[in-house]
Amino acid sequence: GAGVSQSPSNKVTEKGKDVELRCDPISGHTALYWYRQSLGQGLEFLIYFQGNSAPDKSGLPSDRFSAERTGGSVSTLTIQRTQQEDSAVYLCASSSDRGQGGYTFGSGTRLTVV
Amino acid sequence: AQSVSQHNHHVILSEAASLELGCNYSYGGTVNLFWYVQYPGQHLQLLLKYFSGDPLVKGIKGFEAEFIKSKFSFNLRKPSVQWSDTAEYFCAVNAGYSSASKIIFGSGTRLSIRP
Repeated sequence: GAGVSQSPSNKVTEKGKDVELRCDPISGHTALYWYRQSLGQGLEFLIYFQGNSAPDKSGLPSDRFSAERTGGSVSTLTIQRTQQEDSAVYLCASSSDRGQGGYTFGSGTRLTVV
Repeated sequence: AQSVSQHNHHVILSEAASLELGCNYSYGGTVNLFWYVQYPGQHLQLLLKYFSGDPLVKGIKGFEAEFIKSKFSFNLRKPSVQWSDTAEYFCAVNAGYSSASKIIFGSGTRLSIRP
């Protein structure tokens, strides 16, 4: 596609429920990244994919967070048993190399846990 | 580990004033440096980037940044700001040609321009 597409754009969920966030990167981009942006905070790195493998998942805050990428394209970030502190904007980005060219970001998914 | 510091959390300027936003990073090796901008209600966009060569980098909308290796700095500048420059600005760095290729972002500087 023309840009990085994320869905849903907004998600309100009850504490304890699982959520899935989807990212569709720019066609042909091999690298895909997930970040989290909390209110008044910078961007917190979560995980990086090169193709379908994740060389760096050091930013995942707990084992409730997981992500996968299939076919070298779409990625899904799953948060199990959501907590209120998970409320944030989850951003996906992709790049054609290993990040050295800079990223193209999606518009994000605003997750609110009530 | 790499880190990025942005010294100003919120900067308020009048139109036509000159702008300089500070950014310092910590990493001893080769780095790639970026400035991203997030306009209200919009997604992050790349403003400019430095890879190698001329340390003075020109970006979109009249912005420029200077890489000073000895100071580990990559400050963003604009000679004359406009109201439309109101946005949040993020400095970012990644280690050049490292297997850990994630980009590390600073906490951001909110820029407010008074008309």
